[in-house]
Amino acid sequence: KNQVEQSPQSLIILEGKNCTLQCNYTVSPFSNLRWYKQDTGRGPVSLTIMTFSENTKSNGRYTATLDADTKQSSLHITASQLSDSASYICVVTLNTGFQKLVFGTGTRLLVSP
Amino acid sequence: DTEVTQTPKHLVMGMTNKKSLKCEQHMGHRAMYWYKQKAKKPPELMFVYSYEKLSINESVPSRFSPECPNSSLLNLHLHALQPEDSALYLCASSRPDGNTEAFFGQGTRLTVV
Repeated sequence: KNQVEQSPQSLIILEGKNCTLQCNYTVSPFSNLRWYKQDTGRGPVSLTIMTFSENTKSNGRYTATLDADTKQSSLHITASQLSDSASYICVVTLNTGFQKLVFGTGTRLLVSP
Repeated sequence: DTEVTQTPKHLVMGMTNKKSLKCEQHMGHRAMYWYKQKAKKPPELMFVYSYEKLSINESVPSRFSPECPNSSLLNLHLHALQPEDSALYLCASSRPDGNTEAFFGQGTRLTVV
């Protein structure tokens, strides 16, 4: 069964601190892995997208890693800001010839002043 | 322009009403998607259109009827909905191949009373 699991479910950190979110997946055939940020009641916004051959991808204060052998990914947020408070969703795309996305359940991050 | 525009942003409808959700993109994407998202849950795929043809219907009840009148527009016609259909409805678009970005709209918050 195609599954994407994320941990932790929720996380509270102080403004300015760093944090790392985890994603494990059992999806086949794998095409790529994405991290999205979703504010409550809004659509997801893409942070990074990595294919099988990519180990790391950065987007400003966000850095994603991918280990295709262990089927694990992480999203590291540096110097967190209040505006980082959101849900972070790991999404794996099936290689089906078009985009079928398998969503993780997300990590709800709260950055506290 | 990397925007997917959904209208309306909010919709309240009775169980006997007929309404439509609209989605528009001008990125030249030939794949468009409807997702349903309940609170604190990941988005669930409903329909996929590829080159204006319905490619995937994830066993969605017939009270939801999608339509893709051209390559820029995607509609979701609603009729005789139930209160449990209340959710955030997200539209997304992408190039049809798997390794490219999928862009999401901001969603329509639907409440069925």
